[in-house]
Amino acid sequence: KNEVEQSPQNLTAQEGEFITINCSYSVGISALHWLQQHPGGGIVSLFMLSSGKKKHGRLIATINIQEKHSSLHITASHPRDSAVYICAAGGADGLTFGKGTHLIIQP
Amino acid sequence: DSGVTQTPKHLITATGQRVTLRCSPRSGDLSVYWYQQSLDQGLQFLIQYYNGEERAKGNILERFSAQQFPDLHSELNLSSLELGDSALYFCASSVGGGAGYTEAFFGQGTRLTVV
Repeated sequence: KNEVEQSPQNLTAQEGEFITINCSYSVGISALHWLQQHPGGGIVSLFMLSSGKKKHGRLIATINIQEKHSSLHITASHPRDSAVYICAAGGADGLTFGKGTHLIIQP
Repeated sequence: DSGVTQTPKHLITATGQRVTLRCSPRSGDLSVYWYQQSLDQGLQFLIQYYNGEERAKGNILERFSAQQFPDLHSELNLSSLELGDSALYFCASSVGGGAGYTEAFFGQGTRLTVV
């Protein structure tokens, strides 16, 4: 069974700061997913990646398969980025989720 | 809007009761996944259906069951409800059958409160 660890659990930063959220998993995977959950509860899929790096606007996700580690970066952070960010390891038995990182961006 | 519709949005019921949660996937998606999110356990995978057949099973209790109908909508049935079943229940859908390596689109969730 895959174990997925995220850090930090909570992060408060000022608007404009560069944000990094880390995710480690214990067993080889098919893909690593990054999800965003807003206070209202809805979940949005941000990235799915199995190698290298993906970029979407101010969000960048990277993965190192050998080290079993992924990072989510937010550049020029904004209060609207405040949310819970969840990584999930995808394998043959579906998704195993981390506990999430609660991010607050203060103006 | 992800295109995945879940009803109802909120549900309050008493212990021992039975409820049904409904999910309509995005048009064209064959897979439906059910997830439970509680405060202490986080998000957990419950079960997946692909084109009407059960594809994968996660941490789903025996009191819970699901099915996917010919029109591809799915229902999650929760019976003999306990206080600990209070949680957010999410449905997601994808085109392909592999939850691990297919991008899934999530519904807004059903918040179940058992009193």
